[in-house]
Amino acid sequence: EIVLTQSPGTLSLSPGERATLSCRASQSVSSSYLAWYQQKPGQAPRLLIYGASSRATGIPDRFSGSGSGTDFTLTISRLEPEDFAVYYCQQYGSSPRGTFGQGTKLEIK
Amino acid sequence: EVQLVESGGGLVQPGRSLRLSCAASGFTFDDYAMHWVRQAPGKGLEWVSGISWNSGSIGYADSVKGRFTISRDNAKNSLYLQMNSLRAEDTALYYCAKDWAAVPRYYFDYWGQGTLVTVSS
Repeated sequence: EIVLTQSPGTLSLSPGERATLSCRASQSVSSSYLAWYQQKPGQAPRLLIYGASSRATGIPDRFSGSGSGTDFTLTISRLEPEDFAVYYCQQYGSSPRGTFGQGTKLEIK
Repeated sequence: EVQLVESGGGLVQPGRSLRLSCAASGFTFDDYAMHWVRQAPGKGLEWVSGISWNSGSIGYADSVKGRFTISRDNAKNSLYLQMNSLRAEDTALYYCAKDWAAVPRYYFDYWGQGTLVTVSS
């Protein structure tokens, strides 16, 4: 069973800074089937990235995903005030499919 | 505009049943697989169940297998989750989520706002 571990648990940054969020899998994620979601308080999650590096429809290009195998990264190049939220990674290539990481909270410093 | 609207949540005693519904609009419902994903208060996301466009492929998380049943009615553009033998640990916000493909690919491009299920005596 694949387990996804996200780090750090909380990341404190200022608007304009660069954010780097990590997602590590306990075993290789098949075909880079990894997604990233953003969730703001009181809202449903929003798909940001799929296939490890493809941006979903309407997602600004300051969001980028990279990685393969067991190590994946979500990068936000220049933080906007609306980017402060919780971010989840999810693998969908191996059984049990659809498993999520525990989340990284991106907070304003 | 894609819209997913969940309903049917509420307070229920342990061991009882509840049926959730999700009304879909803004896309061709029977072209896509659909899922239920839940989030316990203050916790992370957990995939619960998924169903293919024609109900031919269905899956459940181990935590709900044998107790929950997913179904869909394409004529009504609706998704359902029948939850039996509810436990306290089933307490969560239940989201309806649209898959990217007709058969479950297990990532979700649209989500509803959720319906809250509280299991307590």
